Amino acid sequence: DAGITQSPRHKVTETGTPVTLRCHQTENHRYMYWYRQDPGHGLRLIHYSYGVKDTDKGEVSDGYSVSRSKTEDFLLTLESATSSQTSVYFCAISRGSNQPQHFGDGTRLSIL
Amino acid sequence: QQQVKQSPQSLIVQKGGISIINCAYENTAFDYFPWYQQFPGKGPALLIAIRPDVSEKKEGRFTISFNKSAKQFSLHIMDSQPGDSATYFCAASETGANNLFFGTGTRLTVIP
Repeated sequence: DAGITQSPRHKVTETGTPVTLRCHQTENHRYMYWYRQDPGHGLRLIHYSYGVKDTDKGEVSDGYSVSRSKTEDFLLTLESATSSQTSVYFCAISRGSNQPQHFGDGTRLSIL
Repeated sequence: QQQVKQSPQSLIVQKGGISIINCAYENTAFDYFPWYQQFPGKGPALLIAIRPDVSEKKEGRFTISFNKSAKQFSLHIMDSQPGDSATYFCAASETGANNLFFGTGTRLTVIP
């Protein structure tokens, strides 16, 4: 398995609270991604990073922010969680653009 | 709008049979087509991928068939086994872009 660790693996929180999910990699890959997985939608890209402090928006970025201060860590923040953000969140890494992406085992987030 | 359309949503196959999952796309700029396998509680794992310079790629019991003119590609699982029971996702992306567009997934059940 690719060296990707997501934390926490499960989280339940209330509407309006801030939430931060962490992705840690040991592969020294340049690119990191955050996806959300919802029934009927497959996986959709939220944000991605192409280097330290270099990030860009994906398909469904509204309500989310990201930060990458070190090569190995990519954080996803929900500033004020809403029930529509209940989902399973996956981190992925790749060596470069349009290269194979490898996924972590996800974080199941429930917002009540 | 779903960039990649996947069918069927679910599939039941007898052990030893052939499983076939189909995907279609509209964006002719797509030039990378991976398939992912996902088990419950796990992240998607890259199974096999193809680029449009070939019409077929085979790895063990898994084959991707690619029809550029029809803008379709499919996954064939030969001699399907109960251990193949999982959800399969097709995806597509284009060179220079960082968004991997996923299909909605096919839940495969292989009956012993």
